[in-house]
Amino acid sequence: AQSVTQLDSQVPVFEEAPVELRCNYSSSVSVYLFWYVQYPNQGLQLLLKYLSGSTLVESINGFEAEFNKSQTSFHLRKPSVHISDTAEYFCAVSAINNAGNMLTFGGGTRLMVKP
Amino acid sequence: EPEVTQTPSHQVTQMGQEVILRCVPISNHLYFYWYRQILGQKVEFLVSFYNNEISEKSEIFDDQFSVERPDGSNFTLKIRSTKLEDSAMYFCASSATGRSAFFGQGTRLTVV
Repeated sequence: AQSVTQLDSQVPVFEEAPVELRCNYSSSVSVYLFWYVQYPNQGLQLLLKYLSGSTLVESINGFEAEFNKSQTSFHLRKPSVHISDTAEYFCAVSAINNAGNMLTFGGGTRLMVKP
Repeated sequence: EPEVTQTPSHQVTQMGQEVILRCVPISNHLYFYWYRQILGQKVEFLVSFYNNEISEKSEIFDDQFSVERPDGSNFTLKIRSTKLEDSAMYFCASSATGRSAFFGQGTRLTVV
């Protein structure tokens, strides 16, 4: 079984400041890693994913995450946030070679960008 | 851009009633999922469906729940006799390869 911990339930930050949303996971098998974003009154949108290859993955809107196997982490970073980044961010994992590839989610981190 | 669509967006039902939540996955996707999120809690996996059968289900997915792909395009979740604790946001998702899942907007189910 897998578990995901997002250490911060809320992260307030000023516009144009850098931000890091932390994600740690526990698993006895290798995993795929994901970040999803949920804007107010919307569904879950896939932000970025790590399946294999380079441990640093990037999204089209400036977010990046780095898979650190030794620390079992997949922290999400952005060097300069915008008001429009205000949303809830969910880290998730799925076990490689799992038949259904079910996702296990963290509790979410609410990013609040202030002007 | 293709997307997963869910209907209705909000469903209110009386305790003990049957409810069907509907989803249209992305065309050509082969893997289908239901998740739920009770207010203030984590998103939880319910069931995955592949090749016209359930491939995995969680402890939550008991005999009160069932899924169906009746016509090759829709994917439904049925709750036979709703309980107050079934109130949650229910998300449908689909995937082409079983790796990256794309989610719908969700159906908010309120049991009164």
